[in-house]
Amino acid sequence: KAGVTQTPRYLIKTRGQQVTLSCSPISGHRSVSWYQQTPGQGLQFLFEYFSETQRNKGNFPGRFSGRQFSNSRSEMNVSTLELGDSALYLCASSSDRGGYNSPLHFGNGTRLTVT
Amino acid sequence: AQRVTQPEKLLSVFKGAPVELKCNYSYSGSPELFWYVQYSRQRLQLLLRHISRESIKGFTADLNKGETSFHLKKPFAQEEDSAMYYCALMGERYSGAGSYQLTFGKGTKLSVIP
Repeated sequence: KAGVTQTPRYLIKTRGQQVTLSCSPISGHRSVSWYQQTPGQGLQFLFEYFSETQRNKGNFPGRFSGRQFSNSRSEMNVSTLELGDSALYLCASSSDRGGYNSPLHFGNGTRLTVT
Repeated sequence: AQRVTQPEKLLSVFKGAPVELKCNYSYSGSPELFWYVQYSRQRLQLLLRHISRESIKGFTADLNKGETSFHLKKPFAQEEDSAMYYCALMGERYSGAGSYQLTFGKGTKLSVIP
């Protein structure tokens, strides 16, 4: 089975721009979660989608949004980029909600640098 | 609110020495607890789950509800154990809402000295 695929691997953007990140989950997985990873804050939950519906959302501003398509692929969008948005963005898929019976499978991440 | 604390940012041990990576959690209900690991240049991956009571790569973790801890242990460290380890808790964000969130600790970097 192919693993979770995130594209692109690296992005450099300027403050004020917007960016879209893509995630293809493991085949058959219907849940996709997004995390922001920084050295200071560690892994912070952004949101989770299941069958095209946002099921959970973390404590991030509205500039962070996402969506999931019928094939379970997901995109994450950040508008009006700020320097503090520089981070590794991880996508994870699971068959359900990431609990005992459906642990998360992570992608390699997209490294976003905002200048 | 749910919280996971890993008090050590970095833990260095000699090869063959015992290892204990600490994890404490705060959660009002019965949490589901995990350890995830990230080896150098690899993606974050599940190491073990509490419910399985399994031993993976020689690692075990015991849930202590009284101390709200889920420490990761291995009796004899190997060089290949050097990695970043994250403790994680799956819990309900809001009581009765059916809205779950996996919360991670900030991680402990384990360095095994040859």
